[in-house]
Amino acid sequence: ELKVEQNPLFLSMQEGKNYTIYCNYSTTSDRLYWYRQDPGKSLESLFVLLSNGAVKQEGRLMASLDTKARLSTLHITAAVHDLSATYFCAVDEYPGNTGKLIFGQGTTLQVKP
Amino acid sequence: KAGVTQTPRYLIKTRGQQVTLSCSPISGHRSVSWYQQTPGQGLQFLFEYFSETQRNKGNFPGRFSGRQFSNSRSEMNVSTLELGDSALYLCASSPEGRNTIYFGEGSWLTVV
Repeated sequence: ELKVEQNPLFLSMQEGKNYTIYCNYSTTSDRLYWYRQDPGKSLESLFVLLSNGAVKQEGRLMASLDTKARLSTLHITAAVHDLSATYFCAVDEYPGNTGKLIFGQGTTLQVKP
Repeated sequence: KAGVTQTPRYLIKTRGQQVTLSCSPISGHRSVSWYQQTPGQGLQFLFEYFSETQRNKGNFPGRFSGRQFSNSRSEMNVSTLELGDSALYLCASSPEGRNTIYFGEGSWLTVV
């Protein structure tokens, strides 16, 4: 059974600092998604990573995927308060197109001024 | 382009009642999936529909059911509500190929 684990689960950091959120998954998958969720809100799509070695960047966030290690990272550069939210990674059940995403527990990021 | 629309946004039901939630996917998307989010269990997959056919189902009791119509709109139903069914129910739609999966704003269900 596919399991997805994120760490850390909670991250408090100062503005301007860098940090990385890790997402490990237990079995083969062919795509990985990152989402952001603000309190009381829905999930906002950040990145979709489709192949080994994929790297995507948007603003201060950069995501990468290593399918051999079954690991994805979400790197935050020079954090700002607006990045405070909960971040989820999710993996498509393999083989794909089953429509089922398995989510990690989420990482709550708190950026302090 | 309109996003994924879910109705109702908030509702309160009594134990034993049933509830129906509705989801209109992004135009052109034929895949609709449903998730339950609770503080204790996180985000859990309920089921997925594609062109009116259920392709996959999560590990939920039979009280949870769904369907998809020919216009890709989907409904989910929960019968005989229990307190533990209180959750945020999220609907997601995606195009074929699932290069991106978009979520609606969700329906907040409180069972009292």
